[in-house]
Amino acid sequence: AQSVAQPEDQVNVAEGNPLTVKCTYSVSGNPYLFWYVQYPNRGLQFLLKYITGDNLVKGSYGFEAEFNKSQTSFHLKKPSALVSDSALYFCAVIITGGYQKVTFGIGTKLQVIP
Amino acid sequence: DAGVIQSPRHEVTEMGQEVTLRCKPISGHDYLFWYRQTMMRGLELLIYFNNNVPIDDSGMPEDRFSAKMPNASFSTLKIQPSEPRDSAVYFCASSPGTGRGGYTFGSGTRLTVV
Repeated sequence: AQSVAQPEDQVNVAEGNPLTVKCTYSVSGNPYLFWYVQYPNRGLQFLLKYITGDNLVKGSYGFEAEFNKSQTSFHLKKPSALVSDSALYFCAVIITGGYQKVTFGIGTKLQVIP
Repeated sequence: DAGVIQSPRHEVTEMGQEVTLRCKPISGHDYLFWYRQTMMRGLELLIYFNNNVPIDDSGMPEDRFSAKMPNASFSTLKIQPSEPRDSAVYFCASSPGTGRGGYTFGSGTRLTVV
């Protein structure tokens, strides 16, 4: 069965510092990997995806993520955090060739401190 | 496009009452998903449809929950009778084709059963 793990419930980072939100996955086939962001009282918003190709994926709002097949990881990164980046971040995976069932991680709360 | 539209945004009901949540997906998206979000269990997939046909309802908690999609532009999630443990935020999401582009989520319905 496919799964994703987000090992940190919360990540705190000072404004202007680089940030990393961790995600590891477990699938039996080739994965499609996603990051979503959820602001308070809102639905999830798509940030970026990895399907195939370049392991470094760039997405919205200056975020990027690196796919590492050997470590089965897909960590979300940003070179310089903004207070407005404070939100809940979800990693998600689906298996290529399979049907549409997406598995979401439990979410990591990012707090950017001014 | 106005995105995925859910109604109502908030619903407060008494235990035992019937509750109906509504969703209008993005035009042209042929997949529709219903998720439930709670602090304890995170995001749970309840059911999803492809071309208006239910594909996987294994996440529906029990017979009190039912979902329909009578046409490509409308879906409902019904809880009858409702219980306090059903209190959660319910999200609808839609996607085109294989989901490689990610999902678009609605803003959710916050359900409180008292």
